[in-house]
Amino acid sequence: QLQLQESGPGLVKPSETLSLTCTVSGGSISSSSYYWGWIRQPPGKGLEWIGSIYYSGSTYYNPSLKSRVTISVDTSKNQFSLKLSSVTAADTAVYYCASQWELTFDYWGQGTLVTVSS
Amino acid sequence: DIQMTQSPSTLSASVGDRVTITCRASQSISSWLAWYQQKPGKAPKLLIYKASSLESGVPSRFSGSGSGTEFTLTISSLQPDDFATYYCQQYNSYSRITFGPGTKVDIK
Repeated sequence: QLQLQESGPGLVKPSETLSLTCTVSGGSISSSSYYWGWIRQPPGKGLEWIGSIYYSGSTYYNPSLKSRVTISVDTSKNQFSLKLSSVTAADTAVYYCASQWELTFDYWGQGTLVTVSS
Repeated sequence: DIQMTQSPSTLSASVGDRVTITCRASQSISSWLAWYQQKPGKAPKLLIYKASSLESGVPSRFSGSGSGTEFTLTISSLQPDDFATYYCQQYNSYSRITFGPGTKVDIK
């Protein structure tokens, strides 16, 4: 069974870049069956898909965030990463990584709260 | 963009009740719809995919139906563990995945 774990700073200053890594265990990130995605949830609000990546490096992003988002993959470490630039308070959220099978998210990390504040 | 709506936004029910949540898409998404359950402080859990396929390990009291623009999630007999928030998600294309705003099921 896949397990995913997010890691990274819990506090980011406005205008800086948010960086998170998701470590996958219990399976290979190079599996041809999966994409790997990032989803976020502002406190008390709903879910927003950020973007996804295939092990080959192919990516697709939420158009509303595309100009600020970069998702990358490191198959040697079984990890994929998120960078979100020029953050504001509106980017404060719990960030989840998840495995994506046929575009649904079947395994999720526990989530990590990232607060944007000076 | 495909917009998703859910109704009701909050639902009060009792253990044993039959519960139905509706999700509507602003344009046809065929059967490309999933349902998730989320409890406070926890990650969402996939319940249903392709509108009506039950994810492995999910109790059979959960069922999904619909196609096109209107979908429903039904819990046949609400259990104490089912009090949570439920989200639908459309995945009509790789370039745009969107979630509904959620339906909170609480204790009547």
